[in-house]
Amino acid sequence: AQSVTQLDSQVPVFEEAPVELRCNYSSSVSVYLFWYVQYPNQGLQLLLKYLSGSTLVESINGFEAEFNKSQTSFHLRKPSVHISDTAEYFCAVKRGTSYGKLTFGQGTILTVHP
Amino acid sequence: DAGVIQSPRHEVTEMGQEVTLRCKPISGHNSLFWYRQTMMRGLELLIYFNNNVPIDDSGMPEDRFSAKMPNASFSTLKIQPSEPRDSAVYFCASIGTESDNEQFFGPGTRLTVL
Repeated sequence: AQSVTQLDSQVPVFEEAPVELRCNYSSSVSVYLFWYVQYPNQGLQLLLKYLSGSTLVESINGFEAEFNKSQTSFHLRKPSVHISDTAEYFCAVKRGTSYGKLTFGQGTILTVHP
Repeated sequence: DAGVIQSPRHEVTEMGQEVTLRCKPISGHNSLFWYRQTMMRGLELLIYFNNNVPIDDSGMPEDRFSAKMPNASFSTLKIQPSEPRDSAVYFCASIGTESDNEQFFGPGTRLTVL
């Protein structure tokens, strides 16, 4: 079975500061990794994913995450955050051959202050 | 495409009443997931279907919960009888072979059981 640990439940930062949201996973088989974002009163939206290939993946709004197999990590980073990035972020893992079932972490609430 | 559609968006009911939540997945998607989100327990997978067949219902809390998928375009999650501890946001998500491992989430149903 897979499991996901998001090491920080809340991360407050100031606007234009860099941020890192940490995610570690455990699995005995190869996995796919995802970051989803949830804005207030909305469903989850995919932010970025790692399936194969380059270990560094990027989103269209400036976030990036790097798959580190030896560290079993998939940390999310952004060099300069905006107020609009305030949301809850979920790391998730999927076994490569499964039907699509995701295992989610507990979520990290990112709050960007002016 | 309208995305995943859930109804109702909000439901307030009294303890003991039957509650039915509805979901219409994205057309062409062949897997459907029901999640529950609470502050205490985070995001939990309740059940998922593949090609209208329940694959894993190990997350269903107890016999008061049941889910059906009579056809590829409709699913229900029923709670009977409802209890205050069932109060949560319930999300439906779908995924298809063409969606490159991305689950698409609906906006959720916020259930309050008084």
